[in-house]
Amino acid sequence: DGGITQSPKYLFRKEGQNVTLSCEQNLNHDAMYWYRQDPGQGLRLIYYSQIVNDFQKGDIAEGYSVSREKKESFPLTVTSAQKNPTAFYLCASSIFVDQPQHFGDGTRLSIL
Amino acid sequence: KQEVTQIPAALSVPEGENLVLNCSFTDSAIYNLQWFRQDPGKGLTSLLLIQSSQREQTSGRLNASLDKSSGRSTLYIAASQPGDSATYLCAVRQAGNTGKLIFGQGTTLQVKP
Repeated sequence: DGGITQSPKYLFRKEGQNVTLSCEQNLNHDAMYWYRQDPGQGLRLIYYSQIVNDFQKGDIAEGYSVSREKKESFPLTVTSAQKNPTAFYLCASSIFVDQPQHFGDGTRLSIL
Repeated sequence: KQEVTQIPAALSVPEGENLVLNCSFTDSAIYNLQWFRQDPGKGLTSLLLIQSSQREQTSGRLNASLDKSSGRSTLYIAASQPGDSATYLCAVRQAGNTGKLIFGQGTTLQVKP
């Protein structure tokens, strides 16, 4: 089946630790996105990538980093500089940047 | 700066009722508007997308309208069912903006049998 796979579903981070969230898509989409969702809130854009080897900061990029070495993969690293990382993280992709976005099932990150 | 607001934050209705969810935005210079559904602990499923030149879109029991000049969109759900219970989010894409969606906070709908 074509789709977007996020892993793991649940993730726990210790203080001072970096963690990486995985996002893989087999839809052959050029554009990929990372969003953060806090309880009772809408989604906020962290980073997006229009094409391989290119990515742009969103509204809340501080404390996060990404890479786009392959078309199908867009991993997000939550660094120790992100002081409030507890949230639900959603990855999305679209054929091109102006096309509808398709979402994965998310990763819930908590602090130990 | 574009702001998207959804009212009410939560809504509870008996099965079979027709209902309307509201979405308002402050900047009318949008490229399109999209309605999503989110089930608890899950990602988003796209329901309807309305281009800025369109007034409405329909899919089954769902109808979304767009009034760009007044900065409003509504999602009409006909003959609601318990399976419609979920959070509904609207998002706008700004004209000229490369793919960025700006989301409202969502309306959590409960349809009681």
